[in-house]
Amino acid sequence: NAGVTQTPKFQVLKTGQSMTLQCAQDMNHNSMYWYRQDPGMGLRLIYYSASEGTTDKGEVPNGYNVSRLNKREFSLRLESAAPSQTSVYFCASSEMWSQETQYFGPGTRLLVL
Amino acid sequence: QQQVKQSPQSLIVQKGGISIINCAYENTAFDYFPWYQQFPGKGPALLIAIRPDVSEKKEGRFTISFNKSAKQFSLHIMDSQPGDSATYFCAAMGTYKYIFGTGTRLKVLA
Repeated sequence: NAGVTQTPKFQVLKTGQSMTLQCAQDMNHNSMYWYRQDPGMGLRLIYYSASEGTTDKGEVPNGYNVSRLNKREFSLRLESAAPSQTSVYFCASSEMWSQETQYFGPGTRLLVL
Repeated sequence: QQQVKQSPQSLIVQKGGISIINCAYENTAFDYFPWYQQFPGKGPALLIAIRPDVSEKKEGRFTISFNKSAKQFSLHIMDSQPGDSATYFCAAMGTYKYIFGTGTRLKVLA
């Protein structure tokens, strides 16, 4: 039982390049989330998927897109990376949207030059 | 924008001391207040949580104190240990809302 896994662990991009961050959970959770973590800013919600087949914007969605591929997988795409997107990205899941506990992955550290 | 304000940003405590981290929220619709612990290079993990119908919850050395009228809650770490050195996030949850504080980096000196 791996919990929430994320790939890659670390990535360097040039401005304008695109990439997809992958997330998978093996806990049969219905809800999944993408956060970014920046120094002094805490965790900010980018997008979430309350259930398979649905996605919604969070607090900071601009510059990102998501896909809930199936119940296990939720990907985050940067179409044209900008230096402001340099951050640590965390995927999380919870049993239901209203369930209190969120389980986080180990994070992806992204550097945009 | 709904916020959860967390202080201090960083905290240094001697081994055996008490670590106290404070949070304040604005939205009275929040009904669940968790604390997450994050070690370097890892994702946050739930540490302890409280609902507003109780004023205090204790789990081992960790205690949440909750003041509903003041819209404040705090984490107390008793007998702090070097292994407690981590970043701590408070959060507040309501219907379709999960807001995190900005984090407190705790260092416990041996």
